[in-house]
Amino acid sequence: DPKIIQKPKYLVAVTGSEKILICEQYLGHNAMYWYRQSAKKPLEFMFSYSYQKLMDNQTASSRFQPQSSKKNHLDLQITALKPDDSATYFCASSQDRGKTEVFFGKGTRLTVV
Amino acid sequence: GDKVKQSPSALSLQEGTNSALRCNFSIAATTVQWFLQNPRGSLMNLFYLVPGTKENGRLKSAFDSKESYSTLHIRDAQLEDSGTYFCAAEAGQGGRALIFGTGTTVSVSP
Repeated sequence: DPKIIQKPKYLVAVTGSEKILICEQYLGHNAMYWYRQSAKKPLEFMFSYSYQKLMDNQTASSRFQPQSSKKNHLDLQITALKPDDSATYFCASSQDRGKTEVFFGKGTRLTVV
Repeated sequence: GDKVKQSPSALSLQEGTNSALRCNFSIAATTVQWFLQNPRGSLMNLFYLVPGTKENGRLKSAFDSKESYSTLHIRDAQLEDSGTYFCAAEAGQGGRALIFGTGTTVSVSP
């Protein structure tokens, strides 16, 4: 039973469009994150949230906006999509922010054409 | 430069053999996690380490924060051990992001 659910699994988008990647966790965790992985490279940290508040943002572009409507939800809105945004986006969570084990969802593979 | 360097970058093993993967940190790592990414892309948690050693079945991992490295030992390699192994370190005070290593792609053959 996956405890961190990401939707959709695969997404194809047209350049310039906007998409929302969905993430829900059922682990009772207080911290949630987004990471990005391009072409089997290492995962790169994007955002961290704790108790629905943005704590860290290492994404240079404002086109990426996390949205937390509930404590166990952290969606990622991406606007004005570019081909370079093509990657697998992983949602993750941990009990608390820092010094606790982090668990990952299965990812959403985004292709921008 | 790379804050978390993994070696080797690729490894070919025969079933039944043993091997070791290593991560060296140029940051003050406080905790380390090891993951296995399968060919479908899913990340499986293997170990979460504060400084020390853990063992789980045929896998054993160690993290030495003073010497800034971590190791993952695979004993009696099996076909299902194939995939890409990532170490990831958390640095400094709590709340810092996981910094991932470059990965070691392991291929186990009969």
